[in-house]
Amino acid sequence: QKEVEQDPGPLSVPEGAIVSLNCTYSNSAFQYFMWYRQYSRKGPELLMYTYSSGNKEDGRFTAQVDKSSKYISLFIRDSQPSDSATYLCASMGPGANNLFFGTGTRLTVIP
Amino acid sequence: EAGVAQSPRYKIIEKRQSVAFWCNPISGHATLYWYQQILGQGPKLLIQFQNNGVVDDSQLPKDRFSAERLKGVDSTLKIQPAKLEDSAVYLCASRRAGTANTGELFFGEGSRLTVL
Repeated sequence: QKEVEQDPGPLSVPEGAIVSLNCTYSNSAFQYFMWYRQYSRKGPELLMYTYSSGNKEDGRFTAQVDKSSKYISLFIRDSQPSDSATYLCASMGPGANNLFFGTGTRLTVIP
Repeated sequence: EAGVAQSPRYKIIEKRQSVAFWCNPISGHATLYWYQQILGQGPKLLIQFQNNGVVDDSQLPKDRFSAERLKGVDSTLKIQPAKLEDSAVYLCASRRAGTANTGELFFGEGSRLTVL
């Protein structure tokens, strides 16, 4: 079983739609959760990170973690064509240095 | 602030040949990582350095991969001999001190390796 599982998509939505991206993880010791965005032929860049359970909002983006179900979500409101990218979820445990990444979900927002 | 620099961006070699990738992290970042990203997958850690010491190389295939970080700045990753399954993007990342719990890594654009 992989540490972090993610639906690879691809996902295609019209501009302005609400996007929901999801991951599950297997290690109950994980406490730190991140979402990275990766544009084509670029390195990933950190979009958001959260600690433990709960929600975190940053502009049009909301990250949600439910530790009871080991579920990680990213919501994008009013999606824009510039949001078209691959979104990678990642997790790590306390005191750990290694991020475990999901496979990434490729998102396309159609104008 | 300059980002993480990597070279070469693209490399095509035949199996059993050798290849080396170079990384220059963001100035002052003591922690440096090499990740392997196979097409359609997420990055997988190969090795982590703290200054010029190895923190974690448990996932590095040591029979063919080697890495070093001399003087705690630049790093090189070498593959010898290469196999077809080594075709991937090799990402270098660095991290600022005190940010371990944010998971914030700064990635370079990667070196894309094709093994024929």
